[in-house]
Amino acid sequence: AQSVTQLGSHVSVSEGALVLLRCNYSSSVPPYLFWYVQYPNQGLQLLLKYTTGATLVKGINGFEAEFKKSETSFHLTKPSAHMSDAAEYFCAVSEIAQKLVFGQGTRLTINP
Amino acid sequence: DAGVIQSPRHEVTEMGQEVTLRCKPISGHDYLFWYRQTMMRGLELLIYFNNNVPIDDSGMPEDRFSAKMPNASFSTLKIQPSEPRDSAVYFCASSLWAGTYNEQFFGPGTRLTVL
Repeated sequence: AQSVTQLGSHVSVSEGALVLLRCNYSSSVPPYLFWYVQYPNQGLQLLLKYTTGATLVKGINGFEAEFKKSETSFHLTKPSAHMSDAAEYFCAVSEIAQKLVFGQGTRLTINP
Repeated sequence: DAGVIQSPRHEVTEMGQEVTLRCKPISGHDYLFWYRQTMMRGLELLIYFNNNVPIDDSGMPEDRFSAKMPNASFSTLKIQPSEPRDSAVYFCASSLWAGTYNEQFFGPGTRLTVL
């Protein structure tokens, strides 16, 4: 069965610092991978997705993620954190394309 | 273009009462999903529909929960009778099948509190 593990339920970085949110997945077939962001009291919004092709994918708000099959990872990065990036981030995997399995989420805090 | 619409945004009820949550998907989308989010269990898929037909309800916690989609523009999730442990944020999401994967668009959620 597919599953997602997000390392660190809470990550705190300084404004301007590198953001790195870790995601590892378990899948028996090449997966489709997604990162979603949830701002307080809002629904989830898609940041970026990997389906096929280039393993480095770029998303909205300056985020990007790299699919590494050998490491079964799909870590999310942003070179320079902004205060507006404070939110909860969810990694998700889909083998059967209609269904998504979400990780537990990582709450990102930005320190001024 | 309007996104996924959910109502009510907040619901407070007493244990034993019936609760109905409503969702209007994005026009033209052919998949609809219901999720529940809690601190303890995270984000869980409850049920999803394709072209108004329930495809997988294996995530529905028990018989107290039921979901319907009478037409392409409306779905309900009903809890009867409600219990305090049902307190959570319930999200509806919709998507359009792209041939290989679904990009799901989420509504703002309904925060349910059962006293």
